[in-house]
Amino acid sequence: QSVLTQPPSVSAAPGQKVTISCSGSSSNIGNNYVSWYQQLPGTAPKLLIYDNNRRPSRIPDRFSASKSGTSATLGITGLQTGDEADYYCGTWDTSLSAVVFGGGTKLTVL
Amino acid sequence: EVQLVGSGGGLVQPGRSLRLSCAASGFTFDDYAMHWVRQAPGKGLEWVSGISWNSGDIDYADSVKGRFTISRDNAKNSLYLQMNSLRAEDTALYYCAKADKLGIGSGFDYWGQGTLVTVSS
Repeated sequence: QSVLTQPPSVSAAPGQKVTISCSGSSSNIGNNYVSWYQQLPGTAPKLLIYDNNRRPSRIPDRFSASKSGTSATLGITGLQTGDEADYYCGTWDTSLSAVVFGGGTKLTVL
Repeated sequence: EVQLVGSGGGLVQPGRSLRLSCAASGFTFDDYAMHWVRQAPGKGLEWVSGISWNSGDIDYADSVKGRFTISRDNAKNSLYLQMNSLRAEDTALYYCAKADKLGIGSGFDYWGQGTLVTVSS
């Protein structure tokens, strides 16, 4: 059971938009920065978003994120088949003194 | 270009020890915290341990506390994970990850390719 809660799977058609939610508590998302990671099949995770909503320069602006209270959301627009991957949210948990992740969301581009 | 190259994984019997290493290059190693994150076969990401830039702040997941020890050698641009009393449930791909800040309470902007640890008799 993960400390952060994500939907196990989401799906959408190419060109469409999808959102992935990440729910936590005041000890983690509520008071710390959230990051999002993309893990393509058979590869290491890659940073998509850091500090709640900032994108590394190498990440296209089709990826965006936001945070409100104890929840965070990743949005992907203009879906491509190459976006099919597992997506994880992560943050620091002040009570646990540990980094915590969501269980991951598998994105299928139909 | 940032590179994180992990090594030291392998097949080990329950109760034995293993030491993982991660060689870093392409950035100023002692400006950033470093972490180990693992992923069991077919499962999600699990944070294992983190160490701040100067080794002054270290934390562990409850699942490995007392058995694993993280360390770093800034002169050698290297990160280590000493794993003792290994259990079957420690079987996973272990990723070395670079933090995006000095302290351990931050995200990870670069990940190594992973080194596989299999604990089995």
